[in-house]
Amino acid sequence: EPEVTQTPSHQVTQMGQEVILRCVPISNHLYFYWYRQILGQKVEFLVSFYNNEISEKSEIFDDQFSVERPDGSNFTLKIRSTKLEDSAMYFCASDRGQMDSNQPQHFGDGTRLSIL
Amino acid sequence: QKEVEQNSGPLSVPEGAIASLNCTYSDRGSQSFFWYRQYSGKSPELIMFIYSNGDKEDGRFTAQLNKASQYVSLLIRDSQPSDSATYLCAVNYSQGAQKLVFGQGTRLTINP
Repeated sequence: EPEVTQTPSHQVTQMGQEVILRCVPISNHLYFYWYRQILGQKVEFLVSFYNNEISEKSEIFDDQFSVERPDGSNFTLKIRSTKLEDSAMYFCASDRGQMDSNQPQHFGDGTRLSIL
Repeated sequence: QKEVEQNSGPLSVPEGAIASLNCTYSDRGSQSFFWYRQYSGKSPELIMFIYSNGDKEDGRFTAQLNKASQYVSLLIRDSQPSDSATYLCAVNYSQGAQKLVFGQGTRLTINP
C-alpha cells in the first residue's frame, strides 16, 4: 500500500537555526498537509497545500513557517529561526480531497524535531 | 473555535470485551469524521471514517455517527491487547482540503 514518507525521522537543531522537514506524499494525492504534535498534546493542523499554493493555514503557521513543493514528488516545511517551543513531532499527510470520499487522509511516520 | 472533545481516559477494558470510545464536536457544518489509532511515539493510523448518519462496520470496528447530537463513537469488539493505544477522533470542517481538527485522544488499555 502506498505510504507518505518523511525525512529525517529525528532532527536536532540549535535554537535560531533554520530547519527543513521533507515529505513525499502518496503519488496520486492532490492535497498535502502539515500537522504538529507537541509531546502530550493534541495533533494540530498547520497548513494545507493544493495546486502549488497554500489552501488554508492555522494561527500557528506564522511568518516563521513556509511550505514548498520544489518538484513533482517532495513537499517541504521550512521553519526559520527556530524556537524552543517548536520542538514537536511534525506529521505530513496527503489525500485526494473531498472529491474522493474513499481516500481519507494518511499520515507519514513523522519527524521528531528537537530544538536545543 | 471549532472543538472536538474526547474523554482522555484511561479507559480499561478486559480482553474480549467491547471497548466504546466517544467524541463530540462543536460545529454542525462538519463534513466527515475519522478515528485514528496512535501508539506512543508513532504517527496516527487511520482506523475508520464515516460521513453519513448511522453505523459503519469494518471487521471488529464500528463507527457510529449522530449529526443531530454532534456525536461520533467507535466500538471495538473482541478487544485484544494489541488494541491498547490512544484513539484520536478527528473532524473535517472544510470543503476541498480536509483540515482535520483532533480531539485530545482517549487512552485505551486492554487487560489480558
